[in-house]
Amino acid sequence: AQKVTQAQTEISVVEKEDVTLDCVYETRDTTYYLFWYKQPPSGELVFLIRRNSFDEQNEISGRYSWNFQKSTSSFNFTITASQVVDSAVYFCALSVPSRGNNRLAFGKGNQVVVIP
Amino acid sequence: DTEVTQTPKHLVMGMTNKKSLKCEQHMGHRAMYWYKQKAKKPPELMFVYSYEKLSINESVPSRFSPECPNSSLLNLHLHALQPEDSALYLCASSQDLGLGTDTQYFGPGTRLTVL
Repeated sequence: AQKVTQAQTEISVVEKEDVTLDCVYETRDTTYYLFWYKQPPSGELVFLIRRNSFDEQNEISGRYSWNFQKSTSSFNFTITASQVVDSAVYFCALSVPSRGNNRLAFGKGNQVVVIP
Repeated sequence: DTEVTQTPKHLVMGMTNKKSLKCEQHMGHRAMYWYKQKAKKPPELMFVYSYEKLSINESVPSRFSPECPNSSLLNLHLHALQPEDSALYLCASSQDLGLGTDTQYFGPGTRLTVL
């Protein structure tokens, strides 16, 4: 079975602090895809990143960075120098192609509150 | 700017009403999805259409009836809903390369309240 665990439910930070969101996944498949989505209060899920299981390179996009470690089954997300606009719920998700569909297994989400 | 649009943004309906949620994507995708999301929970998959055919129905009650008139449009017809059906309904689309590797792109959602 596929499972994603995001342990921290709500994280509050003061503006300009860094915040790291942990994502631990479980799957027996060797080929899989990991995603992060951002859901601001408006409701839309905004796609942030997709990473396949064969690409362990870390990625940086502006103030966002991702650390993928297969050894610990983790795909952590860091926001550097947080801003109020970063306040949102962030979901980590997993899909496994061997299932023959694009079903996403979502974690419970991390509510990030950035205090000005 | 999202390329998946949903209307209406908000909907309030009584338990005896019939209403429809609409979704349109402008990315040439061939798979479209309906999700239901309750407050402080992750989205839950309801239906998947692939090339305009229903490919996944997650045992959703028959008071929810999906329709895919063409590859760009997806509707969700609502009838005789219950108050517990109040939620954010999200539409998504993906390329559907048949490999199970797609990225899903979501619309802004419709906030439904059933009185």
